[in-house]
Amino acid sequence: GESVGLHLPTLSVQEGDNSIINCAYSNSASDYFIWYKQESGKGPQFIIDIRSNMDKRQGQRVTVLLNKTVKHLSLQIAATQPGDSAVYFCAELYYGNNRLAFGKGNQVVVIP
Amino acid sequence: DSGVTQTPKHLITATGQRVTLRCSPRSGDLSVYWYQQSLDQGLQFLIQYYNGEERAKGNILERFSAQQFPDLHSELNLSSLELGDSALYFCASSVDPPGEQYFGPGTRLTVT
Repeated sequence: GESVGLHLPTLSVQEGDNSIINCAYSNSASDYFIWYKQESGKGPQFIIDIRSNMDKRQGQRVTVLLNKTVKHLSLQIAATQPGDSAVYFCAELYYGNNRLAFGKGNQVVVIP
Repeated sequence: DSGVTQTPKHLITATGQRVTLRCSPRSGDLSVYWYQQSLDQGLQFLIQYYNGEERAKGNILERFSAQQFPDLHSELNLSSLELGDSALYFCASSVDPPGEQYFGPGTRLTVT
C-alpha cells in the first residue's frame, strides 16, 4: 500500500534479527488492539490481536505486548525475513463506539 | 487474497463529479467497513454496516454516503468530489463486530 504520511518512522533491520515496533495508543478505555501489516500495493493484513485484559499474546513468529499503564503496544517479530518489509499499523478499538482507530504506521525495511 | 473484493481498482474523475465504489465482503461476513487512506491523514475509518444497517460512523464527510445491500455487498458514494478526496479507499469485512477485519485491495481514486 501507499506510505501513510511522508515521514513514517522507519526501522531498518538485518535479516534474521528480531524487530520491535512500538505504538502509543490514545484511548485508555480501548478494549481491543490489532496489528496490521501493509505491503506495497495491498490492503492491510491482520497479524495479531490482543484484548485489553491481556498483556501478552504470541503468534507465529510474532508477539504483541500491551502496557495499559503507559498506553503502549509493541509488536515483536522474530527472525525477521525480507517478506516482513512493509508498513505496520497498530489499531485500537473501543467497544463503546465500535470504531477502529489506526496509528500512523511504522515502515520496516529488512536488509538481506 | 483476503476474500474481500473491491471495484474498480482505479478511478480517475474530475472535481465536482460523483463516483460509486463497490465492495463484496468475504463469504459469511456480516460487517463491512470503509476506510480512506491518504498521504497526510493515514488510514481513517469512515463508516461501518452490519447486516444492512449502519453500525458506526467515523470521519465521513456529508458528501459521502454508503449502504449495504441485502446480499451484503456495500457501496460507497462520493459526490461533489474535490482534489483532496484523492486517496485509496479500502473496504474491510468481519464476521461480527468488532472481529478481525479482512481488507480488500482498495480502490485508488484520483480527482483531477
